[in-house]
Amino acid sequence: QVQLVQSGAEVKKPGASVRVSCKASGYTFISYAMHWVRQAPGQRLEWMGWINAGNGNTKSSQKFQGRVTITRDTSASTAYMELSSLRSEDTAVYYCARESQWFAAFDIWGQGTMVTVSS
Amino acid sequence: QSALTQPASVSGSPGQSITISCTGTSSDVGGHNYVSWYQQHPGKAPKLMIYDVTNRPSGVSNRFSGSKSGNTASLTISGLQAEDEADYYCSSYRSSSPWVFGGGTKVTVL
Repeated sequence: QVQLVQSGAEVKKPGASVRVSCKASGYTFISYAMHWVRQAPGQRLEWMGWINAGNGNTKSSQKFQGRVTITRDTSASTAYMELSSLRSEDTAVYYCARESQWFAAFDIWGQGTMVTVSS
Repeated sequence: QSALTQPASVSGSPGQSITISCTGTSSDVGGHNYVSWYQQHPGKAPKLMIYDVTNRPSGVSNRFSGSKSGNTASLTISGLQAEDEADYYCSSYRSSSPWVFGGGTKVTVL
């Protein structure tokens, strides 16, 4: 079945970087865009950025520009999100989400990866 | 990046209908039909419930419906059931962002 499986929880110190992976299965990886969305504890969903899995083009939210890097490995059907210069406010669950080919929405979501930033 | 505006909470009794609003601007909600709604149970990933303002993905109950008027989109849940108790988020394409979410609405089934 179509699914996105993310890497496990991470604990990082302020100033460090974290990389979260998102492995796709059950569909043609390069035919879809992949987005990254995060959710701080008790807070709303927040869009971070996306990658065209076919050509590798990316775009990120102005809020994260300069700190977030989104890449993909087509041979592994996996997308990656790296966030640098971590601070306590980056403590959140990070989700990858596939954008549907047919309509403007996120139809498949990963299970989420908890990233905790603490000294 | 300002969020779309949703009520913090909405409640209803089993069998009733409730409506959740999502207010944006002419740059997002009011500017096109790329509005979607997501359901999120505690500790779970969001689930797509409505896309392109009014459409339901396969497998989503027809008790869920969407609409839009001007800069405000709405999600209606009819025949409210205990399993509908969750957080609901609207989302819209916004050319400058390009995606933005609402603040979320907690639905309580009394």
